[in-house]
Amino acid sequence: SQQGEEDPQALSIQEGENATMNCSYKTSINNLQWYRQNSGRGLVHLILIRSNEREKHSGRLRVTLDTSKKSSSLLITASRAADTASYFCRRTSYGKLTFGQGTILTVHP
Amino acid sequence: EAGVTQFPSHSVIEKGQTVTLRCDPISGHDNLYWYRRVMGKEIKFLLHFVKESKQDESGMPNNRFLAERTGGTYSTLKVQPAELEDSGVYFCASSQDWTGTHTGELFFGEGSRLTVL
Repeated sequence: SQQGEEDPQALSIQEGENATMNCSYKTSINNLQWYRQNSGRGLVHLILIRSNEREKHSGRLRVTLDTSKKSSSLLITASRAADTASYFCRRTSYGKLTFGQGTILTVHP
Repeated sequence: EAGVTQFPSHSVIEKGQTVTLRCDPISGHDNLYWYRRVMGKEIKFLLHFVKESKQDESGMPNNRFLAERTGGTYSTLKVQPAELEDSGVYFCASSQDWTGTHTGELFFGEGSRLTVL
């Protein structure tokens, strides 16, 4: 994909465990955002990290950005069944907004 | 405050027919985007309006797709004639001021699922 990838494509864990998803990209970015999509619903913005930032936190979410590796990770700590959803990263690069194919996270109660 | 609304939520049509999808962005949002997701693949950008003008339509797949945003309010995306590969979920999103860079949060509608038989 020209836009980069999220991995893994699917992740299945037990409630209480941590979930880590990764996003790679190929061109320089201005910022990177993570979104969540519950089945059959629209995407919901989770967190934004700018290109000059390395880490951000929001509640149980932690996002890191490594511009040298052109990658970002989203960590969800102490996962809950309600975290079951697809997670996408959105890259802003040279005026273009792109999404990947997402990571499907399933959290088993 | 109402969010982004899309209509219809699901449309089933025959190949060769026409379908028009509608998106009502959040009131006051200048930016309106159309995206498409086909069968679990990546969410692909189609185009971006700033008010009534097309800022970027580089993602439009071909001339069977026509997007309009008359008056800078709601937008329509027409597919004519529809082909099998057009099936997918069409998302609309809006955001506030256009500053020349995409730094704002996008607010998404719940999508319009199109099935072409």
